[in-house]
Amino acid sequence: DADVTQTPRNRITKTGKRIMLECSQTKGHDRMYWYRQDPGLGLRLIYYSFDVKDINKGEISDGYSVSRQAQAKFSLSLESAIPNQTALYFCATSDFFGGRGETQYFGPGTRLLVL
Amino acid sequence: TQLLEQSPQFLSIQEGENLTVYCNSSSVFSSLQWYRQEPGEGPVLLVTVVTGGEVKKLKRLTFQFGDARKDSSLHITAAQTGDTGLYLCAGLTDSWGKLQFGAGTQVVVTP
Repeated sequence: DADVTQTPRNRITKTGKRIMLECSQTKGHDRMYWYRQDPGLGLRLIYYSFDVKDINKGEISDGYSVSRQAQAKFSLSLESAIPNQTALYFCATSDFFGGRGETQYFGPGTRLLVL
Repeated sequence: TQLLEQSPQFLSIQEGENLTVYCNSSSVFSSLQWYRQEPGEGPVLLVTVVTGGEVKKLKRLTFQFGDARKDSSLHITAAQTGDTGLYLCAGLTDSWGKLQFGAGTQVVVTP
């Protein structure tokens, strides 16, 4: 079984709808992240959580919210979806080793289309 | 504005050829990573470089971290079709461990 799972894998929704993307991990990591990927822009950080009680905004958090229900679960919500939120969304977890870097483990992604 | 600039954006070569992908920034990184992403999947870590001037080899892939820790390169020798993918560099700039990703270089290796 995959260490980091995301549901759904694909989603089509309409403008104004609220949707939730879910992420679960079995790696036992405290750190979890949500990114969106757009062609030519790479991965941009939406929100990150260093433990269950610590949630922080990333560089593009407007229009999004998150919930860290447990160490293993981190959900991303679009309160009122708009077309420019159409993108590929990735959840990731990491083991952090301070200044020597970390390894981020990514889920398979959720492809979201907002009509 | 991208903190990390990758070049080229797209590269198409034939099997057996060599290629180099670059990752540049005006910022100093405590470490820099390279990931590869295949269609329908998330990125997977290939290597982490930490020391300025460091060179790491992973089979036919050679990674180099610039002396000033502001840039890096990935060189693939005798490319194979299995090397096809999106190559992303990511730098760690602060002590809290948030990575900054480049936009990626799409590499296509044809038979």
